[in-house]
Amino acid sequence: EAGVAQSPRYKIIEKRQSVAFWCNPISGHATLYWYQQILGQGPKLLIQFQNNGVVDDSQLPKDRFSAERLKGVDSTLKIQPAKLEDSAVYLCASSLGTGPFEQYFGPGTRLTVT
Amino acid sequence: QKEVEQNSGPLSVPEGAIASLNCTYSDRGSQSFFWYRQYSGKSPELIMFIYSNGDKEDGRFTAQLNKASQYVSLLIRDSQPSDSATYLCAVGVSGNTPLVFGKGTRLSVIA
Repeated sequence: EAGVAQSPRYKIIEKRQSVAFWCNPISGHATLYWYQQILGQGPKLLIQFQNNGVVDDSQLPKDRFSAERLKGVDSTLKIQPAKLEDSAVYLCASSLGTGPFEQYFGPGTRLTVT
Repeated sequence: QKEVEQNSGPLSVPEGAIASLNCTYSDRGSQSFFWYRQYSGKSPELIMFIYSNGDKEDGRFTAQLNKASQYVSLLIRDSQPSDSATYLCAVGVSGNTPLVFGKGTRLSVIA
């Protein structure tokens, strides 16, 4: 079974530029999550989708971050404009459903904002 | 505010010893508990989950849950240098509420 796919794996941009990340979840997984992980910290949830609807985006900085999952499968996360403090690893995860199900993570995208 | 607390470490154990990793959580309604292993520069990998009070064993790993004390632990027997990683505890409540992750405990197994 293929795991969660993400691209790109690494990205370096200057502050105020924009960037987009892509995620393809495990086949059949209805729920998709985007996390931000800063070095030395646990993953912080940015947004959770159930199929193509948003379940939780309470910690998403909506003035600069946006995410979509239009067809209920792939998802993109965008940052515009980027700030220095956005430097982190962006992890995508998926699970069979919402709630206390086990989540499986993709390899992540390491973003460096200079 | 749901919280999951872990000692950040590093926890150093000699090769072959038992490593004990601990996690406490604040929400008494929590129902599911997960342990993830994260190697440096890699993404978290699920290694254990437990839903009921007591012990659950899988190979060298044992998860222990005590809901009354709001405490979950992970024991690694016969620790190997390859077990050196950060271990993340994650806790889930029912419904649509997403998992809450702790900051992780860094384990170092010394050969």
